[in-house]
Amino acid sequence: SQKIEQNSEALNIQEGKTATLTCNYTNYSPAYLQWYRQDPGRGPVFLLLIRENEKEKRKERLKVTFDTTLKQSLFHITASQPADSATYLCALDMYWGDKIIFGKGTRLHILP
Amino acid sequence: DGGITQSPKYLFRKEGQNVTLSCEQNLNHDAMYWYRQDPGQGLRLIYYSQIVNDFQKGDIAEGYSVSREKKESFPLTVTSAQKNPTAFYLCASLGQGYNEQFFGPGTRLTVL
Repeated sequence: SQKIEQNSEALNIQEGKTATLTCNYTNYSPAYLQWYRQDPGRGPVFLLLIRENEKEKRKERLKVTFDTTLKQSLFHITASQPADSATYLCALDMYWGDKIIFGKGTRLHILP
Repeated sequence: DGGITQSPKYLFRKEGQNVTLSCEQNLNHDAMYWYRQDPGQGLRLIYYSQIVNDFQKGDIAEGYSVSREKKESFPLTVTSAQKNPTAFYLCASLGQGYNEQFFGPGTRLTVL
């Protein structure tokens, strides 16, 4: 069956360290993989997109990797800050691309 | 300012009543989406529309209905046939040639 899995437990990281979130998928072949941030009671906000032929993408303190062999994406926040505390969703964007498929999200807490 | 608005932010409904959630965008986006989010769950697609006067069922369309009479508007009706309608509802839009979705602030529906 098709699945997208993100760290089911909340992640607690000390301020200043790098937070690494995982997104694994099975039985999908996405053309793109997207990461969104969602704050409590709000809609998700797009952060980064990585294509299947890209290994890594960076934006300021954010870095995303995409390994289509392992069927995994890693999302890194370097020099983490308490303001980075939120839920982070990964989403698969298929070739037949009229809709994207979201994971359940990982709650990240950056501890001061 | 361009964006997506959803109203109301909070909605209470008695069992057996239909209720309509509003979603408006001024981004000139062709595609619009409705998602449902339950605690600890990812986003589940209810309906989507890629063009005016056309829409498709998502993964959990039963008990919901939509219309797309104008490009800017994609209202969602939660009918009395929806067995468990209490949830957070999110509307999103997508521009032509883009992959990332823009989300509204959400409507929290509670059935009393």
